Amino acid sequence: GNSVTQMEGPVTLSEEAFLTINCTYTATGYPSLFWYVQYPGEGLQLLLKATKADDKGSNKGFEATYRKETTSFHLEKGSVQVSDSAVYFCALSDPLISSGSARQLTFGSGTQLTVLP
Amino acid sequence: DGGITQSPKYLFRKEGQNVTLSCEQNLNHDAMYWYRQDPGQGLRLIYYSQIVNDFQKGDIAEGYSVSREKKESFPLTVTSAQKNPTAFYLCASSARGTSGRGQETQYFGPGTRLLVL
Repeated sequence: GNSVTQMEGPVTLSEEAFLTINCTYTATGYPSLFWYVQYPGEGLQLLLKATKADDKGSNKGFEATYRKETTSFHLEKGSVQVSDSAVYFCALSDPLISSGSARQLTFGSGTQLTVLP
Repeated sequence: DGGITQSPKYLFRKEGQNVTLSCEQNLNHDAMYWYRQDPGQGLRLIYYSQIVNDFQKGDIAEGYSVSREKKESFPLTVTSAQKNPTAFYLCASSARGTSGRGQETQYFGPGTRLLVL
């Protein structure tokens, strides 16, 4: 079956440090890949996505590149801010697992990021 | 503003009691989903629905029930059969694509935290 493995946290960085959160996946088909962010006590917000190999998703200074050869989708940001402190989830959507208009997502376990001033 | 609303924000359940969590969306999305989130874990799918009057079990449906009488609404009932209901519950929705198949991106509500007294 499909699975997503994320770098274990928590991750603690100083402001302006470089961030990498690793994500690798296993899928039967050719999935789309996502990063979601969850701020304390809130729901998930889509951060970025990529739908095919070599695509780069980017948003708010975050980037991730879909690497089919290494089955990875690592999240990076060149200079983190205190406001980036949150839990980050990697997820995949496998087109082989769909039911009409519904598409199932498989999530990683999340990585807690804390950025210190 | 378009979006997904969940209520209440906090819910307390007594032993042997059924409780219902509300989820409403005004995005005109066809598909809706319920997830359970436990501390330090990713999201697990409880139920999903691709259209009115239709719903399917997810990975952890036991002890839960849903209905989909209106496109905008997808309430979740946590029954007394669910022995460990304490968790954060997230509702999501996604649109139907132009091809008729589901769009991959899911949009999430703010969540309901369920606690057992």
